Amino acid sequence: EVQLVESGGVVVHPGGSLRLSCAASGFTFYHYAMHWVRQAPGKGLEWISLITWNGNDAYYADSVMGRFSISRDNSKDSLYLQMDSLRTDDTALYYCAKGTNGVSWSFDYWGQGTLVTVSS
Amino acid sequence: DLVMTQTPLSLSVTPGQPASISCKSSQSLRHSGGRTFLYWYLQKPGQSPQLLIYEVSNRFSGVPDRFSGSGSGTDFTLKISRVEAEDVGTYYCMQSLHLPLFGGGTKVEIK
Repeated sequence: EVQLVESGGVVVHPGGSLRLSCAASGFTFYHYAMHWVRQAPGKGLEWISLITWNGNDAYYADSVMGRFSISRDNSKDSLYLQMDSLRTDDTALYYCAKGTNGVSWSFDYWGQGTLVTVSS
Repeated sequence: DLVMTQTPLSLSVTPGQPASISCKSSQSLRHSGGRTFLYWYLQKPGQSPQLLIYEVSNRFSGVPDRFSGSGSGTDFTLKISRVEAEDVGTYYCMQSLHLPLFGGGTKVEIK
């Protein structure tokens, strides 16, 4: 069974930094691209980043480009999102999601999410 | 810029009746290799999203056959042949021909 468990969400001040983690199990992690998708309170879904299976390529939405950095550790079956220069509009539930293949821009399984609140 | 437009915004359906959701993209989602990268997800209340349909019309593992997807190019439809109580939630289309982009969502409720 595919499982994705996000962690690291907390309350942080504007301008602050945070690192989210996603622990994967139930599939061969290093075979698949991985994504981060977020959902602001009461709003729709926003894709924000993906990383290919080997970590060689990463892509970002314009809204987080230059502030967020995605990475992975295939030896630990883990995905990360480093979030810097946080703004109040980054407040959201952050989901990690499993790509459908090693370089896929689509995803099939999602975690339960971790809540990031940016507030003074 | 690519835009994904879903209609209606909300839908109230009697159990056992059909439902249909439209998703239109501002550009064709058909890849030069022939595949079309349009997906449908359902987010049930209080849950994370789940994949229903991939590449326009393929049901994902475990998805009941009352769900079907159709369309081509820029116009796509998700149909539920007979709505059940467990189908309530918000449905999102998403394209991945380019960097992933979701539609605004369609909230389905039971009458």
